[in-house]
Amino acid sequence: DGGITQSPKYLFRKEGQNVTLSCEQNLNHDAMYWYRQDPGQGLRLIYYSQIVNDFQKGDIAEGYSVSREKKESFPLTVTSAQKNPTAFYLCASRRTSGRGNTGELFFGEGSRLTVL
Amino acid sequence: GQNIDQPTEMTATEGAIVQINCTYQTSGFNGLFWYQQHAGEAPTFLSYNVLDGLEEKGRFSSFLSRSKGYSYLLLKELQMKDSASYLCAVRGSTGANNLFFGTGTRLTVIP
Repeated sequence: DGGITQSPKYLFRKEGQNVTLSCEQNLNHDAMYWYRQDPGQGLRLIYYSQIVNDFQKGDIAEGYSVSREKKESFPLTVTSAQKNPTAFYLCASRRTSGRGNTGELFFGEGSRLTVL
Repeated sequence: GQNIDQPTEMTATEGAIVQINCTYQTSGFNGLFWYQQHAGEAPTFLSYNVLDGLEEKGRFSSFLSRSKGYSYLLLKELQMKDSASYLCAVRGSTGANNLFFGTGTRLTVIP
């Protein structure tokens, strides 16, 4: 079955450590996204990529980095520069072309990061 | 800028009908989406409106009025499993056509 796989589901990190969240999709989607979700706030866009080897900052990119070396993969690194990294992180992808395409986002199951 | 408003919480009774409203002010408009999200899980797509009017899909319907910047999600014959957060999201028409999300409405269905 096609879908988006995020790992790990739960992650604990000490302050000052970098951590990388994995996101893999086999939907053949061109565009991929990383969102952060905090209680009482809507999903906020961290980074997005519309094509391999290209990515753009979203609304809250500071303290994060990404790469898009393969169409299927869009890993997110939470660096020590991110001041409040504890959150629920969601990866998503979407088709960007095609007849009848609504362009809705397909989400992974999420990764919950806790900084100790 | 982008501004999407929806109520924070709602409670409704099993078997009843509930309407969740969403108002938006965005720079450009290229569609409105509703997602359902159970606690700790991924959001799942419910509906998409790009033209004015009502879209019906089983127990769920979504309405859009572009001139008023307004949408609602209507849930009929509520079931306990409908207890979840409902996210309203608007796609802009500039740049990368990204989605902007509201804070979500947490719906609790009671017996």
